[in-house]
Amino acid sequence: GESVGLHLPTLSVQEGDNSIINCAYSNSASDYFIWYKQESGKGPQFIIDIRSNMDKRQGQRVTVLLNKTVKHLSLQIAATQPGDSAVYFCAENTGAGSYQLTFGKGTKLSVIP
Amino acid sequence: DTEVTQTPKHLVMGMTNKKSLKCEQHMGHRAMYWYKQKAKKPPELMFVYSYEKLSINESVPSRFSPECPNSSLLNLHLHALQPEDSALYLCASSHAGQMNTEAFFGQGTRLTVV
Repeated sequence: GESVGLHLPTLSVQEGDNSIINCAYSNSASDYFIWYKQESGKGPQFIIDIRSNMDKRQGQRVTVLLNKTVKHLSLQIAATQPGDSAVYFCAENTGAGSYQLTFGKGTKLSVIP
Repeated sequence: DTEVTQTPKHLVMGMTNKKSLKCEQHMGHRAMYWYKQKAKKPPELMFVYSYEKLSINESVPSRFSPECPNSSLLNLHLHALQPEDSALYLCASSHAGQMNTEAFFGQGTRLTVV
């Protein structure tokens, strides 16, 4: 299930189940979005991106959905594995005419073996 | 080579010390960034360099001084820091002038100010 801690929401899922991580972004003018995975002690790692002229994009085991009407992004991970345990951040390009990535709050995904 | 390399990995410094964080990439990216990340928080943008020129300073205190000596290197000079500046400092790079492009991140420097 999902719980919201003091600073970082946490999602716990059983290994093999699908995970859905949600993100509300801030700027209706943002035109590009990225999901990053950050493991403990490491820098953010690119997972998948989507442009604002799309509403869905699929990668290997991951799918990103974009709903511009309600400014909402989601990341779906199929057949979640223990190696997927990490903090997941959505990021939006909020720069007007320049590139400025602004990160959302993040969700900690814990996979139960 | 899709790596952004940051050194050192860990740094402990006193409030009167002067130190520098270093970042290097060989992907031909002409945009480089410094982010600060506190525990359990998202990365926050500090500086943006585009074509080796400072283009964005997100109201960062002057005790943090960035430098971009060439297109592959980015430094962050630190002086008279405070304990609350302790954080993970992340460097990133991307293609300049493109709005829909991935930013690659380094592993960060874990800074502790004592």
